[in-house]
Amino acid sequence: QLQLQESGPGLVKPSETLSLTCTVSGGSVISSSYYWGWLRQPPGKGLEWIGNIYYSGHTYYNSSLRSRVTVSVDTSKNQFSLRLSSMAAADTAVYYCARQVVRTRYFDFWGLGTLVTVSS
Amino acid sequence: DIQMTQSPSSLSASVGDRLSITCRASQSIDDYLNWYQQKPGKAPRLLIYSASNLGSGVPSRFSGSGSGTDFTLTVSNLQPEDFAIYYCQQSYGTPGTFGQGTRVE
Repeated sequence: QLQLQESGPGLVKPSETLSLTCTVSGGSVISSSYYWGWLRQPPGKGLEWIGNIYYSGHTYYNSSLRSRVTVSVDTSKNQFSLRLSSMAAADTAVYYCARQVVRTRYFDFWGLGTLVTVSS
Repeated sequence: DIQMTQSPSSLSASVGDRLSITCRASQSIDDYLNWYQQKPGKAPRLLIYSASNLGSGVPSRFSGSGSGTDFTLTVSNLQPEDFAIYYCQQSYGTPGTFGQGTRVE
């Protein structure tokens, strides 16, 4: 069974860069059928898509975050990562990694999520 | 960005009820509409993809319909484990935007 697990700091200072990694087990990131994506959910609020990456390295970003976001993939480790710069209080959220089906673009497997708090 | 509007924002229901949640897109999205269920402290779970296709392992009491701009998620014979927040998501345009959620309580 496919599993995704986010890892990274739970606390980030304002203006710093957040780095999160998603480790994929029970499947491979090298697949022509899937994107690998990041989403987030501020406490008590709705879901926001951040960006995706294909195993080839091709990326897609939410235009509202494009200037601050980098998503990368490490096929040798079966991982993909998120970097979000210039963190602010408004970036406090649960961050999820998820698998997205290429053809119809729904998210079929999700990680458990990790809460990232931005505070000095 | 394509805006997704769900209604109602919340609803009260009882075990055994049949309920419907609607989702409206700000432009036509064909059938690129997905539904997710989220319980407190958990990640969203895919229920319906491409408007009317049941996700893997999802009970048949869940169903979806619609195309274009108007979509409906129906839950028949509501079970105790169905009390949750439901989100629609369009995957027609980038970014793939979500509705604001409907809380079933």
